[in-house]
Parts: sequence; structure tokens; C-alpha cells
Amino acid sequence: AQSVAQPEDQVNVAEGNPLTVKCTYSVSGNPYLFWYVQYPNRGLQFLLKYITGDNLVKGSYGFEAEFNKSQTSFHLKKPSALVSDSALYFCAVRDSSSASKIIFGSGTRLSIRP
Amino acid sequence: DGGITQSPKYLFRKEGQNVTLSCEQNLNHDAMYWYRQDPGQGLRLIYYSQIVNDFQKGDIAEGYSVSREKKESFPLTVTSAQKNPTAFYLCASTPDRQFSNQPQHFGDGTRLSIL
Repeated sequence: AQSVAQPEDQVNVAEGNPLTVKCTYSVSGNPYLFWYVQYPNRGLQFLLKYITGDNLVKGSYGFEAEFNKSQTSFHLKKPSALVSDSALYFCAVRDSSSASKIIFGSGTRLSIRP
Repeated sequence: DGGITQSPKYLFRKEGQNVTLSCEQNLNHDAMYWYRQDPGQGLRLIYYSQIVNDFQKGDIAEGYSVSREKKESFPLTVTSAQKNPTAFYLCASTPDRQFSNQPQHFGDGTRLSIL
């Protein structure tokens, strides 16, 4: 069975500081990993994905994520946070080796203070 | 611009009433999905469809029904059998086969509440 966990319900960061939103996963085969962002009363917007290749993935709005196979993690990072980054972030995973569905984490609310 | 349009944005249901949420896409995507979002629970899959006239149940299909008569349309009906329908409903699509390595495109959701 596959699963994904976002261990922090909320992350608070000061503007200009680096931010990290954590995600760990469990799949039987190789993972497809995704990060999405959701603003209030809006749908999810795709930020970045890891399918294969380079462990450091760069995405939209200056975000990046590092795939760590040994720690089964895919943490989202940004070197310098903006107030406009405040939103709800979702990690999602799918097992590439089976006809499985995509599983979404429970979400992490990121709050950037000026 | 291509995208997914969900309507209405807000919907209210009376006890014993069926309501239908609209989802239309002009992305020419094959696969479409319906999710339910509750606070602190992430997204849960209700139904998904790969092609016209074919759809499969997701993890929480009870009390819901769908149809896929046209490629661009995937309406969701919340029936009176769904006892706790208050939630934010999201429609999504992907270009090719269901649950590929392509990211999902989402609509802006419909918020359903009980009167």
C-alpha cells in the first residue's frame, strides 16, 4: 500500500528566511512525487514533480524539492520566503510500478510573517 | 485560456435533495477526477473517468454518482444518500491515461453546504 505524510499542520516563517515543508512517503516501487499549492477558495496549482533523474527538482515561483530515496522524503524548499507564499501546500505520491491512484497528504499551512 | 470550469462556486442542499456539480474542461484531456476536500484531511477521490461512457469508483463513492457523456464534461451528483455532504469539491483532469506521471489540472471548486 502507498501512503504520504505531511507531519506539520502549520509552518511559520519570517519573510526573507528559508522555508521547508516536509513530506515523507511509502510506496512498493519507485515513486512519482508532486507538490501542489492551494490559495483560499481556489483549486490546487501544480508546483513541481519528481519522476526520475536529478534528485533536486526546481519548480514554479522559486520553489524546489529534494528527492531522498533513503529517507523516503520529498521536502519542499525555498531560499527566501515571501508573504505571498502563504497558502496550503499538498504533497502527493503515486507508485510508478502499479496501476495505483495518486494519494494526497493532509496538507501543510504555510504562514509567512512580514 | 484552457482550463477547468466548475459551477456553481457555492451550492446549498436541503435534506433529501440531490444536487449536481458541473465540471467542464477545454484542455482536451482524456482523464477526469472528482475529489472531496475536508479540513485537515487532504483530498479524497470520489470517482474518476478515463474515457467517455466509462468511470470507476474512488475511495469514497458512496452517496455520489457521475456521468461522462462527453469528453469535456464530468458532472457529479451528490445524492440524498450522502449523509455528510458539506465539503469543498474539486474536479481535475490529466492529458492521457488516468494517474499517469502528468500533474493534475484543477478547477476552482464548488463549496457545498447543508441548509
